[in-house]
Formats: sequence, C-alpha cells, structure tokens
Amino acid sequence: GQNIDQPTEMTATEGAIVQINCTYQTSGFNGLFWYQQHAGEAPTFLSYNVLDGLEEKGRFSSFLSRSKGYSYLLLKELQMKDSASYLCAVQTGANNLFFGTGTRLTVIP
Amino acid sequence: GAVVSQHPSRVICKSGTSVKIECRSLDFQATTMFWYRQFPKQSLMLMATSNEGSKATYEQGVEKDKFLINHASLTLSTLTVTSAHPEDSSFYICSARDFGASGGPKDTQYFGPGTRLTVL
Repeated sequence: GQNIDQPTEMTATEGAIVQINCTYQTSGFNGLFWYQQHAGEAPTFLSYNVLDGLEEKGRFSSFLSRSKGYSYLLLKELQMKDSASYLCAVQTGANNLFFGTGTRLTVIP
Repeated sequence: GAVVSQHPSRVICKSGTSVKIECRSLDFQATTMFWYRQFPKQSLMLMATSNEGSKATYEQGVEKDKFLINHASLTLSTLTVTSAHPEDSSFYICSARDFGASGGPKDTQYFGPGTRLTVL
C-alpha cells in the first residue's frame, strides 16, 4: 500500500520560518507535490519535485530526497494568510496522486 | 496558468434524488480527470479516474453504479451521485491533469474549487 506521513498540526509565528516534513513509502514514484488548502476550499498547487534537491518559488521552497523517501516544504516570512493545511502528495507509477493527511499550520501574531 | 472550474459549488438535495457535478478544464485539454471526496478534517480520497472517451476506473470500495462518471470531451467530466443519501454528504473535488501545455510543471494536477453536497 501507499504510506505518506506528515505532522498533524504545527504552529508558527508571523514573520518566522517553518518547515513541514513529509515521508513516504509508495509503490512507484513519479514526483511529489505540495498543495495548500484553506478550510472549505479545494487544494491549490504550490510545488513539484521529481529530482533530488531544492526547488525555490518566492517564499516557498520544497526539498526532495528520493533515497530517503523524504520531502519538506519551507515557508519563509510567514504571514497570517499562510494559516492553512498543507498536503504532501506522491504521484505513483500508476500516475495517481496519493495524499498525506495534511498538516494544519496556524500562524500566530 | 491552468484553471479548472466546478459546478455547482454547493448543492442541497433530498435523500433519494440524483445530483450531477460538472468539472471543466478552462484553458487546457485534459484527457484525464480525477474525482476526490473529502470528509471534514480528513485528507482527499481518490474516488475514480476519468479518461476521455472510455470508462472510468474506480478505486476499491467506490460503487460505480452509484457514482456515475462521464468524460465526454477533453474539457468536461461529470460525476452523478445517484439516489443520494445523507452519508454521501461530503466535499467533492475534481482535478484535471495538465501535461505542461499551459506553461506549468509537466504532468500536474490542478483542482477545481469543489462542490459541497448536503443530502437531507
């Protein structure tokens, strides 16, 4: 089966940096995605990693280590609007997308 | 960028009725669309994969006769919840697979805004 683990909840302070980790064990790997989901809304695409290393996009960066089955999403200069759930999703050899349970991030003043 | 729309955004229906949800890729063609369901405080669960011009592939435990999927064109997939019951109340989200034609990363799923279904 597919197994994707993320912390359930995290809290961080406005202006700070937070790292959300994701570990995975899947049958097949075609890439790892991070999505942001605000309560009651659909997920929005944040980042995509298929090769090892760091992908930077503005205040968001995502890292992947395929040998370790590990990824993290790094959020810098946190803003109150960053309070949301962050979903790690792995695209498997069957080209389906399997989601972790999500990490609920709360940004406090 | 790739945009996916869903209609309706919210629907309330009586038990026993059928509800149709539309998913459209607005600025790209999607040979593959996916239907997810999300219960409160839980992750997205894939229900089925919809392929244009062929039958949908359902995940284990999803009744194909209850959740009818039609992908008649490269920009439209529909999910019909037949004889809906209160336990079918959920947030239904579609996504469309973009192979990079819209300028985004190759082979990315873009999600519609979701449909909140409430069955009374």
